[in-house]
Amino acid sequence: AQSVAQPEDQVNVAEGNPLTVKCTYSVSGNPYLFWYVQYPNRGLQFLLKYITGDNLVKGSYGFEAEFNKSQTSFHLKKPSALVSDSALYFCAVDTGGGFKTIFGAGTRLFVKA
Amino acid sequence: DSGVTQTPKHLITATGQRVTLRCSPRSGDLSVYWYQQSLDQGLQFLIHYYNGEERAKGNILERFSAQQFPDLHSELNLSSLELGDSALYFCASSVEASSYNEQFFGPGTRLTVL
Repeated sequence: AQSVAQPEDQVNVAEGNPLTVKCTYSVSGNPYLFWYVQYPNRGLQFLLKYITGDNLVKGSYGFEAEFNKSQTSFHLKKPSALVSDSALYFCAVDTGGGFKTIFGAGTRLFVKA
Repeated sequence: DSGVTQTPKHLITATGQRVTLRCSPRSGDLSVYWYQQSLDQGLQFLIHYYNGEERAKGNILERFSAQQFPDLHSELNLSSLELGDSALYFCASSVEASSYNEQFFGPGTRLTVL
């Protein structure tokens, strides 16, 4: 069965510092990987995805993620955090054919000014 | 604004009752997904419809049912409600049923069962 793990419930970072939100996955086939962000009282917003090709994927708001097949990871990164990046971040995986996406538990990011 | 609309925004009802949540996908999107978000369970996939047909089922209770209509809007019906059904219910849409398409989420319906 496919699964996604976000090992950190919360990540704290100072504004201007780089941030990383971790995600690992377990699938039986080739993974399609996604990151979404949820601001308070809002629905999820798509940030970026990895389907195939270059392991480094660039997305919205300056975020990027690196696909690492050997470590089955897809960590979300940003070189310089903003206070406005504070939100709940979800990693998600789909292997295709099942027509359903499995979401991780979410990681709350706090960026301190 | 994602282009996905959900009504109502808030719903307060009593145990044992039945409610219907409505979702209109983005213009041109054929797939509709339903999710339940609660504090203890996280974001749980319930069901996926593509162009009127059910494509996948997740952790959806037998008391819950959904359908997608010819105009592509979808409804999620929750019956015999229990306190534990209190949650945020999200609808999402995507262009196709492909696993590599990102989903666009609506603002959600907050259901409170008293």
